[in-house]
Amino acid sequence: ETGVTQTPRHLVMGMTNKKSLKCEQHLGHNAMYWYKQSAKKPLELMFVYSLEERVENNSVPSRFSPECPNSSHLFLHLHTLQPEDSALYLCASSQGEWETQYFGPGTRLLVL
Amino acid sequence: AQSVSQHNHHVILSEAASLELGCNYSYGGTVNLFWYVQYPGQHLQLLLKYFSGDPLVKGIKGFEAEFIKSKFSFNLRKPSVQWSDTAEYFCAVSKAAGNKLTFGGGTRVLVKP
Repeated sequence: ETGVTQTPRHLVMGMTNKKSLKCEQHLGHNAMYWYKQSAKKPLELMFVYSLEERVENNSVPSRFSPECPNSSHLFLHLHTLQPEDSALYLCASSQGEWETQYFGPGTRLLVL
Repeated sequence: AQSVSQHNHHVILSEAASLELGCNYSYGGTVNLFWYVQYPGQHLQLLLKYFSGDPLVKGIKGFEAEFIKSKFSFNLRKPSVQWSDTAEYFCAVSKAAGNKLTFGGGTRVLVKP
């Protein structure tokens, strides 16, 4: 299933590195989301974009910076992360804001 | 604040056994309800959803869920599981349309062959 793709699938980075996660949806949707999935914790919503405008920032630290250049692409720029930021980062999209969401495979991030 | 509880963190059962996973939510108004599944090494997939109408919802792969408004519950069921049902299952709730989706903590299900 290739409706929502994410790259890279795995990423290891040091605390001083800058990296970016990419999400692309091929479903013609207008809303995109970033979630964080940590071990033993529920999925945590990070950011929501609707029609390329950020509509929600769920108290995410500034070391995470999202970018939505168009309705098909969503980026998460990472800078000076902490080891506790290690997690699976999931992208999702939906036809309209908060309609049924379809998820990508995630990027598993390890911060050393 | 809206919350979603999944009672069991881990469930282990044998093939052909019946499965029921509990999900309760805290919001008292109109809700949209979802079950997602994450198979090992795969992405989250929508299993079924309830917006309105018949409270007994049929999903993919033989799963069903029943919305009981008086109990604030949306339990997932499958009469006879297969080894391939080994996965983590997530319940999610939003307040009607246009509202934030809140996920439960997930239940890991292991089906022994």
